[in-house]
Amino acid sequence: DGGITQSPKYLFRKEGQNVTLSCEQNLNHDAMYWYRQDPGQGLRLIYYSQIVNDFQKGDIAEGYSVSREKKESFPLTVTSAQKNPTAFYLCASRSRGALSTDTQYFGPGTRLTVL
Amino acid sequence: AQSVTQLDSQVPVFEEAPVELRCNYSSSVSVYLFWYVQYPNQGLQLLLKYLSGSTLVKSINGFEAEFNKSQTSFHLRKPSVHISDTAEYFCAVSPGNTPLVFGKGTRLSVIA
Repeated sequence: DGGITQSPKYLFRKEGQNVTLSCEQNLNHDAMYWYRQDPGQGLRLIYYSQIVNDFQKGDIAEGYSVSREKKESFPLTVTSAQKNPTAFYLCASRSRGALSTDTQYFGPGTRLTVL
Repeated sequence: AQSVTQLDSQVPVFEEAPVELRCNYSSSVSVYLFWYVQYPNQGLQLLLKYLSGSTLVKSINGFEAEFNKSQTSFHLRKPSVHISDTAEYFCAVSPGNTPLVFGKGTRLSVIA
């Protein structure tokens, strides 16, 4: 089945620890995105990548880092610098980021809780 | 900059009643518009989209939305809702070679 995989579904970490969220897609999509979702705030863009080895900051990039070494993978690291990391994180991909008509597909999400 | 406003954060409605979820956008360029649905603890799924052509677009499960350029709106409607429609609905705009911009979402609660 083609799609986007995020693992794990639930993640618990202690304050001050870095944590990496996995996102893999087998849709052969060029563009990939990370969003953060908090109750009542909708989806806020953290980082996005339109091509391998290139990525751009979104609206709330502080305290996060990403890499895009392979087309199918776009991991997100939540660093200890992120002041309030507890949230639901969604990964998405799109076949050709430069063409705005293409549908954006989402993974099932990872719920991160920092204790 | 583009923005999307979903005017209602929560909409309760009785089963089999009609519903309208409102979405307004602002953009200085032509845009493409999307509605996504999110069930609890899941990712978002595309419900329908407007790219060009007919301003009325429909989904396979009875939802429809109408693009109104003069009012910069893309309201989502369904003539008769079911319990299974309970979810959060997000309106999004694609203004060009940039990521989608989402509204804050409307939580639809269908009451039996």
